[in-house]
Amino acid sequence: GESVGLHLPTLSVQEGDNSIINCAYSNSASDYFIWYKQESGKGPQFIIDIRSNMDKRQGQRVTVLLNKTVKHLSLQIAATQPGDSAVYFCAENGKETSGSRLTFGEGTQLTVNP
Amino acid sequence: GAVVSQHPSRVICKSGTSVKIECRSLDFQATTMFWYRQFPKQSLMLMATSNEGSKATYEQGVEKDKFLINHASLTLSTLTVTSAHPEDSSFYICSASVGGNQPQHFGDGTRLSIL
Repeated sequence: GESVGLHLPTLSVQEGDNSIINCAYSNSASDYFIWYKQESGKGPQFIIDIRSNMDKRQGQRVTVLLNKTVKHLSLQIAATQPGDSAVYFCAENGKETSGSRLTFGEGTQLTVNP
Repeated sequence: GAVVSQHPSRVICKSGTSVKIECRSLDFQATTMFWYRQFPKQSLMLMATSNEGSKATYEQGVEKDKFLINHASLTLSTLTVTSAHPEDSSFYICSASVGGNQPQHFGDGTRLSIL
C-alpha cells in the first residue's frame, strides 16, 4: 500500500554542523507534507510544512526540500544544537485521503554531540 | 497558538479498569481530532478520526467497542479504553486540526500502564 518512509533510522552530528534528514514517499497523489519533532515522552511538535506546488520552504534554521520527481522530502537543520536532539517524523496528507488524515514515516533519531 | 492539552499525562491502573483520556484544543476550534497509539521506538499509528458531532472512523484492526471515542464539542474529544489489559499499555497521543490541508497539532500524550 501507500507509505511514507525514511532512509536513515539514526543520525549523529556534532553541535554546530548542519543536519539533513531524508524521507521517501510513495503516494504520488500526496500534496501536503509536514515535518514533526518528537522529544522523549512528549507529543510531536510541528516544525515546518510544504505543499506540492513548492519545492523549497524555509523557516527559522530549518529548510524543507521537496522533489516530486523522485518522491523525496528532506529536512535541513542549520547549526544543529543539542536541543535539536529528538526523533523527526515526516508525514504526508495524500490528496485522496479524507480530511487531514496523515500518514507518518518511521522516524529518524537525531543525536547532537556537544 | 494551536495548543492541544491532553490529560492525564500518565495513568497506572489495574487490569479490567476503564480509563478515560481527554484531548482539548485550547485556542482554536478543532473540526477533526485524531487518536494515535505509539509503541517504544516506533512511529505513530492512527487509531481513529473523530469529527465533532459524528461517530468516529476507526482504522482497520482497531476495536471500536474497546476504544470509545466521543467528540462532543469543537474543543474536546475523549478516548476511553474499556476493560484495559496489560497489552493495552502504550503511549496514546491525540491531535487536533481545523480541517483541510492544515497541520495537526498534538497533545503531549498519555502514558498508560496496565498492571
